[in-house]
Amino acid sequence: EPEVTQTPSHQVTQMGQEVILRCVPISNHLYFYWYRQILGQKVEFLVSFYNNEISEKSEIFDDQFSVERPDGSNFTLKIRSTKLEDSAMYFCASSVQVLNNEQFFGPGTRLTVL
Amino acid sequence: KQEVTQIPAALSVPEGENLVLNCSFTDSAIYNLQWFRQDPGKGLTSLLLIQSSQREQTSGRLNASLDKSSGRSTLYIAASQPGDSATYLCAVMMDTGRRALTFGSGTRLQVQP
Repeated sequence: EPEVTQTPSHQVTQMGQEVILRCVPISNHLYFYWYRQILGQKVEFLVSFYNNEISEKSEIFDDQFSVERPDGSNFTLKIRSTKLEDSAMYFCASSVQVLNNEQFFGPGTRLTVL
Repeated sequence: KQEVTQIPAALSVPEGENLVLNCSFTDSAIYNLQWFRQDPGKGLTSLLLIQSSQREQTSGRLNASLDKSSGRSTLYIAASQPGDSATYLCAVMMDTGRRALTFGSGTRLQVQP
């Protein structure tokens, strides 16, 4: 069964460093998302991406964050200068259409900022 | 702003019991509601999606119902098994064109053998 994959599974970085989290969505899906879950808190929406551009973003998704689809399969989230409070599990998701379809989530990348 | 609440926060039951997990949302203008399962330190597995026009959906031992006007959904698990132990999350998508899912904080289920 097709699934969303994410790499790395765990990333440790120093505060102020840039990190890139990678995702491979399900191949025929058109909409891509990033969510995050700080330990012990709810899953929160960051950004959605369609047709090579951001379609929606939350107030969390500030200028430190960017997303890109560098080729036909990968979808990346970049955090330019990490802060301690960026430590979280980051989930990528994809769906065939925005509406009437489920969002399928990857296994997540645990980001630890020291 | 949409708020999603799940009760109870934790539940422990003996194997074989039927159980109900609850999800409520403050804004009834939803497009769909999705139930997920999350195992510790892992990703989210989609269990069921209910469109706002539907009353319920079934998959195996799982049945999810939706009462949009009262802002409630329930996930019914029949004949629970130890392998059902996980955190169950509900999430809603608004019908305003906003694509983001708004999540509840989950119900942590432990099924005792």
